[in-house]
Amino acid sequence: QVQLVQSGAEVKKPGASVKVSCKSSGYTFSDYYMHWVRQAPGQGLEWMGWINLNSGATKYAQKFQGRVTVTRDTSISTAYMELSSLRSDDTAVYYCARDSASLPGTYYDYWGQGTLVTVSS
Amino acid sequence: DIVMTQSPLSLPVTPGEPASISCRSSQSLMHSNGYKYLDWYLQKPGQSPQLLIYLVSNRASGVPDRFSGSESGTDFTLKISRVEAEDVGLYYCVQTLQTPYTFGQGTKLEIK
Repeated sequence: QVQLVQSGAEVKKPGASVKVSCKSSGYTFSDYYMHWVRQAPGQGLEWMGWINLNSGATKYAQKFQGRVTVTRDTSISTAYMELSSLRSDDTAVYYCARDSASLPGTYYDYWGQGTLVTVSS
Repeated sequence: DIVMTQSPLSLPVTPGEPASISCRSSQSLMHSNGYKYLDWYLQKPGQSPQLLIYLVSNRASGVPDRFSGSESGTDFTLKISRVEAEDVGLYYCVQTLQTPYTFGQGTKLEIK
């Protein structure tokens, strides 16, 4: 069965970087896109960007341009999201979500369990 | 950016009664292929979001048929014909027509 397993919670100081991993199993990794979505405490969902797991091409929300880098390692079926220059308002749960790859449309059929990133001095 | 506006933000419902959540987009979500790129997710307490409806009205695999989606222009509606206790949580609409993909604020459904 399809599983997306994310890395554990992180505590970072302002200005630092964090790298969250999302390990996939149960499907052909390179056939899909992976998206990253975050949720600040008590807040709604915010889309950050996607990666084509085959080509490595990426697309980011303008809001995060220059601070976010999404990569993948096909040899271990793992996608990564790195966010730099962390601020207190980056405190959130970060999710990876698989694009179903069913055309038309973009929708997420599987989600990781979420990784809490806390930014605090 | 496309703004998605949901209402109500809080929805107390008696089990067995119907429920309706609205989502309005600030511009058309019509793709050149004729589909509208609007999906619905439910985030149950303490869980990751799960797909309910995609492309306005298509139920995801395993979603009960008491859930349905419809649209009229830039107004979208999620309906639950008979609410059950397991339906509690936060409901989000999201547009995936253009980046950045944007979610509504969320509607919290609770049982009376």
